[in-house]
Amino acid sequence: DAGVIQSPRHEVTEMGQEVTLRCKPISGHDYLFWYRQTMMRGLELLIYFNNNVPIDDSGMPEDRFSAKMPNASFSTLKIQPSEPRDSAVYFCASSISRRHEQYFGPGTRLTVT
Amino acid sequence: AQSVTQLGSHVSVSEGALVLLRCNYSSSVPPYLFWYVQYPNQGLQLLLKYTTGATLVKGINGFEAEFKKSETSFHLTKPSAHMSDAAEYFCAETSYDKVIFGPGTSLSVIP
Repeated sequence: DAGVIQSPRHEVTEMGQEVTLRCKPISGHDYLFWYRQTMMRGLELLIYFNNNVPIDDSGMPEDRFSAKMPNASFSTLKIQPSEPRDSAVYFCASSISRRHEQYFGPGTRLTVT
Repeated sequence: AQSVTQLGSHVSVSEGALVLLRCNYSSSVPPYLFWYVQYPNQGLQLLLKYTTGATLVKGINGFEAEFKKSETSFHLTKPSAHMSDAAEYFCAETSYDKVIFGPGTSLSVIP
């Protein structure tokens, strides 16, 4: 298996622009998680899905952030409009269940100038 | 509120010395516990896990951890540190309705 795939690996954008991050989970995994990692705040769970349905989005920082999972093999995290404080590494992870180990993608490093 | 604590945000050891990274969890229900490692510019990858059964679990790269319910701990050890062990280590707990990661411990290995 190719593992969790994320694209792009790096994204540089200007404040106010829309940013879309993409994730392809491991086939057969029913859970998909989006995390944000910064030096200041560490690793934060933003949202997770079960069978394509959002279960807990309490970690989404504000309405500028939205996530979708239109099918079992694809999810997006969108930021609109982006702000410099959104600069971080965003990880996608998948798992066979909420309790089992998660498999992380390589991350997308977002820089908002 | 449930939490996972990792004592020491930075730990330094000499090459060949014992590695001990501490983790305490707070769940009152039987937890699943994990240690993940993150190398620079990479995602997290699983080192080892405890679900049920034997309380001493072995993982990759010579690491092991022991689940101690009485101490609510799941400390990570390795008898002899190698330069390649320098990385960020995260302890995590899952219960029936939560997934919680600790803040991480950065391990430095001194030659």
